[in-house]
Amino acid sequence: EAGVVQSPRYKIIEKKQPVAFWCNPISGHNTLYWYLQNLGQGPELLIRYENEEAVDDSQLPKDRFSAERLKGVDSTLKIQPAELGDSAVYLCASSSGASTGELFFGEGSRLTVL
Amino acid sequence: KQEVTQIPAALSVPEGENLVLNCSFTDSAIYNLQWFRQDPGKGLTSLLLIQSSQREQTSGRLNASLDKSSGRSTLYIAASQPGDSATYLCAVKSSNDYKLSFGAGTTVTVRA
Repeated sequence: EAGVVQSPRYKIIEKKQPVAFWCNPISGHNTLYWYLQNLGQGPELLIRYENEEAVDDSQLPKDRFSAERLKGVDSTLKIQPAELGDSAVYLCASSSGASTGELFFGEGSRLTVL
Repeated sequence: KQEVTQIPAALSVPEGENLVLNCSFTDSAIYNLQWFRQDPGKGLTSLLLIQSSQREQTSGRLNASLDKSSGRSTLYIAASQPGDSATYLCAVKSSNDYKLSFGAGTTVTVRA
């Protein structure tokens, strides 16, 4: 069974440029998460989806970040415009349920903003 | 707000020694606790998931315990090997809002 797939693995952009990350969750997993991880820290939640509905986006900086999960399967996270402080690893995870389900993570997308 | 702490931040042991990794959390209203492993430049790999009603979970050389009332979990790794070198993170899922709160992790080095 395929795990959570993310792309691209690495992205280097100039500040003020846009960037997008894509995630395909494990088949059948209704819950999808986007996390941000800075070096030496644990992941921090950006947004959680239940099917196609964003049920928790309280930590998403909505002035520059946006996300969508059309058809309740794969998801895209966009940053426009990117700032130097956005350099981090963006992790996608999925689970079979929001409550007791085990989380499975993708390999992450490492963003460097110059 | 749930606070998750992992001490120590780093640990170095000789091969064969048993590892004991600690995780503490401030709010006992949890659904479950999950231990992850993270290799450099990689995503998180799930090791063990303990539901709030359970006291421990075991998988091979790994054993995780949960004491919800005292806000503690311990991950034991028996007979450590150099391949166990990685960062280990614990994460607690709140039963109030399903938020998963992570610790900063313990970086383990197993010396051959």
